[in-house]
Amino acid sequence: RKEVEQDPGPFNVPEGATVAFNCTYSNSASQSFFWYRQDCRKEPKLLMSVYSSGNEDGRFTAQLNRASQYISLLIRDSKLSDSATYLCVVIETGKSTFGDGTTLTVKP
Amino acid sequence: EPEVTQTPSHQVTQMGQEVILRCVPISNHLYFYWYRQILGQKVEFLVSFYNNEISEKSEIFDDQFSVERPDGSNFTLKIRSTKLEDSAMYFCASVTGAQYNEQFFGPGTRLTVL
Repeated sequence: RKEVEQDPGPFNVPEGATVAFNCTYSNSASQSFFWYRQDCRKEPKLLMSVYSSGNEDGRFTAQLNRASQYISLLIRDSKLSDSATYLCVVIETGKSTFGDGTTLTVKP
Repeated sequence: EPEVTQTPSHQVTQMGQEVILRCVPISNHLYFYWYRQILGQKVEFLVSFYNNEISEKSEIFDDQFSVERPDGSNFTLKIRSTKLEDSAMYFCASVTGAQYNEQFFGPGTRLTVL
């Protein structure tokens, strides 16, 4: 089993759609969780941290479920500029593990 | 806004040569990471570094690799004898405060081994 597993995608959605990505992790001792986005051939950029209480930043909502060991990202009212690869990242002591990434394409 | 910088942006080298990739983390950050991303593949953890020593390293980070913080600002990744399969994008990241905080990435160095 992979340490961090994401929805394989790709996701192709029209503008204005709501899209959700899921990510599961295998190590219950993992300490912190993040969503990053990566545009083609660029560095990952932090999108948001993920907490058990859930957190929201504009059109983006992230949630952590420690009992089931998964994290999610919801994007509402998707824009063309949301097209990118979304990476979930799980941090353990001294080590961080990226998922394979889920590619989102938002079409007009 | 402070940012992580990396040099060079692109390095081309012959197989068997040594390369040094350089990173300048954000100045008050304490934890540093190197990752690699082979074209079309996932971002892979190589090594983490704290208090002038390696904190954790992956299976990829074998004896061919080493890291150093030679002065108060630079953080380097050295590959002693490059192989074709070392061709990848190498990203440096730094973290403020606790190691579990969010990481900020540099723009990467594209390494091409011929």
